[in-house]
Amino acid sequence: QKEVEQDPGPLSVPEGAIVSLNCTYSNSAFQYFMWYRQYSRKGPELLMYTYSSGNKEDGRFTAQVDKSSKYISLFIRDSQPSDSATYLCAMGNSGYSTLTFGKGTMLLVSP
Amino acid sequence: DTAVSQTPKYLVTQMGNDKSIKCEQNLGHDTMYWYKQDSKKFLKIMFSYNNKELIINETVPNRFSPKSPDKAHLNLHINSLELGDSAVYFCASSYRGETEAFFGQGTRLTVV
Repeated sequence: QKEVEQDPGPLSVPEGAIVSLNCTYSNSAFQYFMWYRQYSRKGPELLMYTYSSGNKEDGRFTAQVDKSSKYISLFIRDSQPSDSATYLCAMGNSGYSTLTFGKGTMLLVSP
Repeated sequence: DTAVSQTPKYLVTQMGNDKSIKCEQNLGHDTMYWYKQDSKKFLKIMFSYNNKELIINETVPNRFSPKSPDKAHLNLHINSLELGDSAVYFCASSYRGETEAFFGQGTRLTVV
């Protein structure tokens, strides 16, 4: 079993839809959870960062962490064509560890 | 201002050649990384340096040698390039003790 599992998609939605992106993981030591957005031929950019369980909201984006289920989600409300990108989840087990990435989910938002 | 910059952006070279990729960050971070993203978009850590000192060296062939002249720079030298080295290489940086990493735009290496 891979440490971090993420459906590669593509996930196609119409503009304005609510998008749900998810990752599952097997390492219970993970405490830091991040979502990165990567546009085509660009580097990943940090979108959301959460520590331990709970929710975090930033504008149209909400990150959820459920450590008991080893499951994290990113919700995008009122999706826009400019949200079309690959979304990578990433996790770390301490401030001194490196990140373990999921393979990324490609999201396509059509106008 | 570019926070993490890599050069070159594209690199096409023949098998057996030696090449280098340079990385610089102006964020004042003390830790820098090299990641490899393969054709399936999987992003995997290769090396991590903290204040010019190697702290993480994943299972990477000896043909790959990172060098950090100072904490703002981390270069990657690759000897005897192979077809399987074709990938996008990303440099990243962070503060030690913080897991949020900031990435460069990537270097797309194609070995022919």
